[in-house]
Amino acid sequence: DAGVIQSPRHEVTEMGQEVTLRCKPISGHNSLFWYRQTMMRGLELLIYFNNNVPIDDSGMPEDRFSAKMPNASFSTLKIQPSEPRDSAVYFCASSPELAKTDTQYFGPGTRLTVL
Amino acid sequence: QQQVKQSPQSLIVQKGGIPIINCAYENTAFDYFPWYQQFPGKGPALLIAIRPDVSEKKEGRFTISFNKSAKQFSLHIMDSQPGDSATYFCAASMSGGSNYKLTFGKGTLLTVNP
Repeated sequence: DAGVIQSPRHEVTEMGQEVTLRCKPISGHNSLFWYRQTMMRGLELLIYFNNNVPIDDSGMPEDRFSAKMPNASFSTLKIQPSEPRDSAVYFCASSPELAKTDTQYFGPGTRLTVL
Repeated sequence: QQQVKQSPQSLIVQKGGIPIINCAYENTAFDYFPWYQQFPGKGPALLIAIRPDVSEKKEGRFTISFNKSAKQFSLHIMDSQPGDSATYFCAASMSGGSNYKLTFGKGTLLTVNP
């Protein structure tokens, strides 16, 4: 079975450019999470969707970050304009119905480098 | 405010040793405590989890010990193997309904030497 799919796996861009990260959750999962991982701050939850609806975006660092989930099988995280401090590994995770399980399944991540 | 404190940051043991990783939490409303394992270049994967109605849970060589009064829990790896070398994260959440949010510790880099 395919797990969570993320693309691209690596992204190198210059400061000021727009960056779009993509995620395909596991089929049948109705919750989707975007995390950011850095050495300094560890794993941070950025935003959470349930049934394609954003439920909590309190972790989104600032207005330069936006996330969408147009359907159950696709989500994007966009950074515009990007800054060097956005360099991190971004993970997408999905989960089956959260009322029944707390398990989150992580994708392989996108390593973003902003020069 | 860091709600889950994890220690040590790194740990080196010999094959067959029993590494122990500790976590402490502050929010008494937390009722779900998972451990995630992350290999280089991969996303974290759920290893084992416990709820506070039990003091210990064992799955294979991995054991969680939970101390509700002290607000602490720990991961023990019995008969550790070089393949266990990874970064381990503890986490905590209030489970169920919309209380989904996992708060992670900073991680422990475990190295098991052959």
